[in-house]
Amino acid sequence: NAGVMQNPRHLVRRRGQEARLRCSPMKGHSHVYWYRQLPEEGLKFMVYLQKENIIDESGMPKERFSAEFPKEGPSILRIQQVVRGDSAAYFCASSKTSLLGTSRETQYFGPGTRLLVL
Amino acid sequence: SQQGEEDPQALSIQEGENATMNCSYKTSINNLQWYRQNSGRGLVHLILIRSNEREKHSGRLRVTLDTSKKSSSLLITASRAADTASYFCATAFQGGSEKLVFGKGTKLTVNP
Repeated sequence: NAGVMQNPRHLVRRRGQEARLRCSPMKGHSHVYWYRQLPEEGLKFMVYLQKENIIDESGMPKERFSAEFPKEGPSILRIQQVVRGDSAAYFCASSKTSLLGTSRETQYFGPGTRLLVL
Repeated sequence: SQQGEEDPQALSIQEGENATMNCSYKTSINNLQWYRQNSGRGLVHLILIRSNEREKHSGRLRVTLDTSKKSSSLLITASRAADTASYFCATAFQGGSEKLVFGKGTKLTVNP
């Protein structure tokens, strides 16, 4: 029973390039969340998606960042024209059901993608 | 801000001692969760405590929740060097938000 998969685990980009981060949720999970972690910080929520829908993108920067979770395939977090400040660890999490209306559900995290922008 | 805050920021103890970490938050919650993160790795879910629970145990872990004080504590008993990691509390807030809100974490070092 594989957990949340993320790839690549490490990604190096030069300023101005594009970064594409992939996340495959746990089997049976249809809710995906992306978080960003800066060095020595906690995780900050970016976006919450269900299949083919963005539900909450309140944590996403308005420009250069986008996310999708297509009907088939992994969720993708895309960062265009990367800058040094985008260097961080990006974590994906998944859950089986919505957290709303339940006090039992939790999110399961992937190993993260560490993005370094040179 | 809804953000939880852990204290202390860093904690260094000897193997065999107990480690206590605290977390405070600001608004009403559905549940509070504790995660562990080894250096450079992903997050491992440790324990979830619901807003109507006061205490929960899992192995050497004991979590308490005081909703009147908006605080939680994580106790690791009989610590081991392998417990060295950062520990984060994360809260799921009432009011319709799906996101978990994390604190900055407590960095625990257990010296052999």
